[in-house]
Order: sequence, then C-alpha cells, then structure tokens
Amino acid sequence: QEQLVESGGGLVKPGGSQRLSCAASGFTFSDYYMRWIRQAPGKGLEWISYIGSSSWNTKYADSVKGRFTISRDDAKNSLYLQMNSLRVEDTAVYYCARSYTIYDPFEIWGLGTMVTVSS
Amino acid sequence: QSVLSQPPSASGSPGQSVSISCTGTSSDVGGYNYVSWYQQHPGKAPKLIIYEVNKRPSGVPDRFSGSKSSNRASLTVSGIQAEDEADYYCCSYAGSNNYVFGSGTKVTVL
Repeated sequence: QEQLVESGGGLVKPGGSQRLSCAASGFTFSDYYMRWIRQAPGKGLEWISYIGSSSWNTKYADSVKGRFTISRDDAKNSLYLQMNSLRVEDTAVYYCARSYTIYDPFEIWGLGTMVTVSS
Repeated sequence: QSVLSQPPSASGSPGQSVSISCTGTSSDVGGYNYVSWYQQHPGKAPKLIIYEVNKRPSGVPDRFSGSKSSNRASLTVSGIQAEDEADYYCCSYAGSNNYVFGSGTKVTVL
C-alpha cells in the first residue's frame, strides 16, 4: 500500500527550529517529486516546497524561502523539512505529498503533522 | 504567491448538481491545463479528485467533473451525495515550478 507518514511536529518557540520527516512506503520513492504543503488552523492549503528526484532540484514559496530547507534520503525512503527562524504564522499542519513530475498533481498525501509556534 | 479565488460556500440537496468556481489569471489557471481539485473532509488529508482540468483518478466517482474556460476553472458534482460534504480546493500550476491553491469552498449537502 502506497503511504506517506509525517512526523516531527510539536510546540516550538518563535525563532526556534524544527525538523519534519515524511516516511514513504509501498512505492519507489526515488522516482517521485516530493512536496511539502501546509494548512494553518481553519485556513486553506499553501504549497511551500518541492524537491525533484534529483536533490539539487528544489523550490520554495516566498513565505519560507531562506528559512526552510527541503531534502530527501532515497536510501531511507524519507523526505525532510528543516524549519529555522520559525514564526507564529508558520503554525500549521504540514503535509507531504508526491507527484510523478513537476506538472503532475499531488496524488498521495500523508496525514500531516502539526507544528505550533508559540511563546 | 496569490491565492486562486473560490466562493466560501456552496450547497445543494441530495441529487442536485453543485458547481464551484476557481478564478485565477493568465499566469496560472488560464496559462496551463494543470488544474487539479482536492476534497478534504474535516480532520483528514486532502484527496485528489480531478487533475489536468477534467481527468479523474481511478476510484473517483464519475459524478465529479471539471472544466475550464479562460482564467476560470470549475468543479461540478452531479447528483451530490451526503458523503460529498467537505471542503474543496482548486490548485493550478503557476509557471516557474510554482503552484497556487484556491481559497477553498465548503460544500454543504442540505
């Protein structure tokens, strides 16, 4: 069964750091583009980053550029999001999702992990 | 990145058709046929229901359909059922490897 499972969420103070993980199973992880998408409480979805099948191929939304870093470890079938200089407005459920190419839709999503930035 | 415009809510009685619009610009919805729609039930992860404007993934009921005209995409649920009550989000490729989501529409089955 193709599956994505996020972990690493929690409560962090403004200015702090957090690292999220996304474990993939049931498919050839290295073949896929992977993305992070977040949803603030009661709000809509926001695409924040992607990484291609080659780790050098990354992109970030302006809202997180320079603060967040996406990475992947194909040997561990895992996706990561290193979040630094966190702000209150980064509070959200963070989802990982896969697509086959940059143009393909986000066909499989994880259940999400909640990050709360608060003092 | 700008957010695509969707109506906050839509509703219909069981068996009726409900349509949701998604309005963007020539830089996103109007510029590419990479519009997708996602259904999200409360507390759940989003689920892909339409991609490339009007294609349905395997397993998605054929009462869900999509279309696009110029800078506006639409999702129609024909013969809406109780289980279709959810939030719906459109999403479009916006060039330069960027994606933009819609603001979301809460669909209520009366």
